Amino acid sequence: EAGVTQFPSHSVIEKGQTVTLRCDPISGHDNLYWYRRVMGKEIKFLLHFVKESKQDESGMPNNRFLAERTGGTYSTLKVQPAELEDSGVYFCASSPDRAYGYTFGSGTRLTVV
Amino acid sequence: GNSVTQMEGPVTLSEEAFLTINCTYTATGYPSLFWYVQYPGEGLQLLLKATKADDKGSNKGFEATYRKETTSFHLEKGSVQVSDSAVYFCALSDQGQAGTALIFGKGTTLSVSS
Repeated sequence: EAGVTQFPSHSVIEKGQTVTLRCDPISGHDNLYWYRRVMGKEIKFLLHFVKESKQDESGMPNNRFLAERTGGTYSTLKVQPAELEDSGVYFCASSPDRAYGYTFGSGTRLTVV
Repeated sequence: GNSVTQMEGPVTLSEEAFLTINCTYTATGYPSLFWYVQYPGEGLQLLLKATKADDKGSNKGFEATYRKETTSFHLEKGSVQVSDSAVYFCALSDQGQAGTALIFGKGTTLSVSS
């Protein structure tokens, strides 16, 4: 079984540019989560999809972040325009059910310069 | 609100030393508790979990016991190896709150030298 795949693994962009991160969950996992870890701090929840619907987006920092999950398969997280404080590691996780547990991807390390 | 507090790192140990990483939590419901590990260059991996009070999670020689009376879930290993060097995250999931995802601590970096 393939795991959760994130692309790209690293991205370096200039302030003001746009970046799109992609997450491919494990096939059949309805639940998809995005998290972010800013250097040295907690891994913080961003949002949760159930299939194509946003179940909880209370962790999204501001309207420069847009997440989509068209068709309930892969998800994208777009940052536009990127700011310096957006730098960090963005993790995606999927789960068939919260009680089952979560499988995380390797993360995308975003550096905004 | 729910939160997780874990000991500040880094923790530096010699091979075969005993490891304890403290974790305490605050939760309004009945959380499940987890330890995740991130090895260098890799993603987060579930190390162990416990879903109710007095449960003990164990994996790869690591153990943690869910202590409701002290709201703790301390990670222990009797004899660490160099390969255990990683960042360890304590986390909770409050099953009593619909839509709540994982809440993590800040992570503790462990370095083991030979």
